Amino acid sequence: QKEVEQDPGPLSVPEGAIVSLNCTYSNSAFQYFMWYRQYSRKGPELLMYTYSSGNKEDGRFTAQVDKSSKYISLFIRDSQPSDSATYLCAMTTINSGGGADGLTFGKGTHLIIQP
Amino acid sequence: ETGVTQTPRHLVMGMTNKKSLKCEQHLGHNAMYWYKQSAKKPLELMFVYSLEERVENNSVPSRFSPECPNSSHLFLHLHTLQPEDSALYLCASSKHWNSPLHFGNGTRLTVT
Repeated sequence: QKEVEQDPGPLSVPEGAIVSLNCTYSNSAFQYFMWYRQYSRKGPELLMYTYSSGNKEDGRFTAQVDKSSKYISLFIRDSQPSDSATYLCAMTTINSGGGADGLTFGKGTHLIIQP
Repeated sequence: ETGVTQTPRHLVMGMTNKKSLKCEQHLGHNAMYWYKQSAKKPLELMFVYSLEERVENNSVPSRFSPECPNSSHLFLHLHTLQPEDSALYLCASSKHWNSPLHFGNGTRLTVT
């Protein structure tokens, strides 16, 4: 069983729609959750960084974590063509020594916002 | 302009060549990473350096050899690669080991 599952898409929606991107995971020890956005021919850039369960909002973006269901989401309101990119989820644990283990990434979802 | 710079952006090499990828970070971070990104696969962590010491080597073949001469520079030396090594190689840095990562724009490697 893969540790992090993410639908690769493509997901195509009209401009202005609310977008929901999701990842599921199997390791209940994951505590830190991140979303990265990657434009074509560019490296990933950090969008959102959350700890444990709950919601975090930043402008048009909301990250949601449900640890009981092992499910994280990224919502994009009022989507724009410039939001067209690949969105990668990533997560990590705190190990017994108090440090973090390596990030585990999903495969990424390719999002297309149609003008 | 990203705080992590990678050169070259594109590289085509034969299986018998030797080449090196270069990464430089201008963010004052203490950890640097090499990742491999292939189509339809998650990012694969290859190497991690924290304070210039290698802390992780994820069973990467010996034809890949990293070098970290100081906290701002990271190299990946390549020799006798295989066509399946063709991928986007991403360098990243972070303030501490596994703080959020800042990525460069990658080197697109093609092995012929």
